[in-house]
Amino acid sequence: GPKVLQIPSHQIIDMGQMVTLNCDPVSNHLYFYWYKQILGQQMEFLVNFYNGKVMEKSKLFKDQFSVERPDGSYFTLKIQPTALEDSAVYFCASSLPDNYAEQFFGPGTRLTVL
Amino acid sequence: GDSVTQTEGQVALSEEDFLTIHCNYSASGYPALFWYVQYPGEGPQFLFRASRDKEKGSSRGFEATYDKGTTSFHLRKASVQESDSAVYYCALGDRSNYNVLYFGSGTKLTVEP
Repeated sequence: GPKVLQIPSHQIIDMGQMVTLNCDPVSNHLYFYWYKQILGQQMEFLVNFYNGKVMEKSKLFKDQFSVERPDGSYFTLKIQPTALEDSAVYFCASSLPDNYAEQFFGPGTRLTVL
Repeated sequence: GDSVTQTEGQVALSEEDFLTIHCNYSASGYPALFWYVQYPGEGPQFLFRASRDKEKGSSRGFEATYDKGTTSFHLRKASVQESDSAVYYCALGDRSNYNVLYFGSGTKLTVEP
């Protein structure tokens, strides 16, 4: 079936550095999402993105976070600067714009901030 | 705000046992309800959804019925297999919120042969 790819699978960085997580969504999908899962906790919505704009974001989506998808390339999540509490697995998802559409998830990027 | 509660953190069964994983939700509007399954090293995969009261969703032998009265969407399977071992997430989808999904805490199912 359709697959969402995420690059890299693991990233270790020092606190205060910038990191960019990359997502290659399903080709005909128009909605894109990021979710965050801290180890042992439930997955939580961060942000969704459609037509070049953030449509909805949660309180977890701090000012240090930004998303973009320049020219139909990767959908990216940038954190600048990173903090210790940003350590988590970040899942990208994509979907068609229909109501209640199935979201297709990538395998996640495990981010460790030291 | 909208939320989903899964009461079982872990469930251990033997093959051919009957499975129930409980899911209750709290929402201000009329959400859609989903079940997703996650295998090790992968992201969650859509299992099925239901978007109105009394609607039954099903896939791969799993099923759940949307019950607005009890605000529940319990997952059931009549006879589990070892290959069903995974983490199961109940989720609530808010149509007015651009399809944002609110996940439960997940239930880890282990099926012994």
